[in-house]
Amino acid sequence: DIQMTQSPSSLSASVGDRVTITCQASQDISNYLNWYQQKPGKAPKLLIYDASNLETGVPSRFSGSGSGTDFTFTISSLQPEDIATYYCQQYDNLPHTFGQGTRLEIK
Amino acid sequence: QVQLQESGPGLVKPSQTLSLTCTVSGGSISSGGYYWSWIRQHPGKGLEWIGYIYYSGSTYYNPSLKSRVTISVDTSKNQFSLKLSSVTAADTAVYYCARVYGGNAADYWGQGTLVTVSS
Repeated sequence: DIQMTQSPSSLSASVGDRVTITCQASQDISNYLNWYQQKPGKAPKLLIYDASNLETGVPSRFSGSGSGTDFTFTISSLQPEDIATYYCQQYDNLPHTFGQGTRLEIK
Repeated sequence: QVQLQESGPGLVKPSQTLSLTCTVSGGSISSGGYYWSWIRQHPGKGLEWIGYIYYSGSTYYNPSLKSRVTISVDTSKNQFSLKLSSVTAADTAVYYCARVYGGNAADYWGQGTLVTVSS
């Protein structure tokens, strides 16, 4: 299985801050990577697909980049409603695997 | 708007079979291009992909669960189902059903259902 490693595991930031989360794959996955947001008690929500494409309806402050093994997820200006856990997921190989998650809190 | 809803027992005894159904509304499960998936999340933990099925019946299962998992589809009812046999406490989790576009990104999810394995 392809291992997905996210960092940091948790982070605290202030409203308006630029926030960056990284995801590293254990092997080359091209751009076959998604990013999801999960709020407490809710199902995950797709934010970014194919590493850098914004899902319809998702605010433009969210963005993704990268290819190969190293990927970045960015919130350009943190909003209170962005408090959640964020997961990367690869779909290059089956089984599809997720990162361990990054818990984002407001400072 | 596509909606998915999981249903099934919230409590299963050890060694028994966990059975869940996902009912899809707002779209046909038989429309091509989508894979219908089960994903679970252990309490306070990350996400684990269980497997998926295409409307034709083709399946793929996570090798870590393959010996115990069966996913099936009933196009007449617009439903797909999960069976996980010989459950233990380690199978206690929130189980989500999801639509996976092109077999790649899960763009619609059910709300999730907590299944507890306990005697």
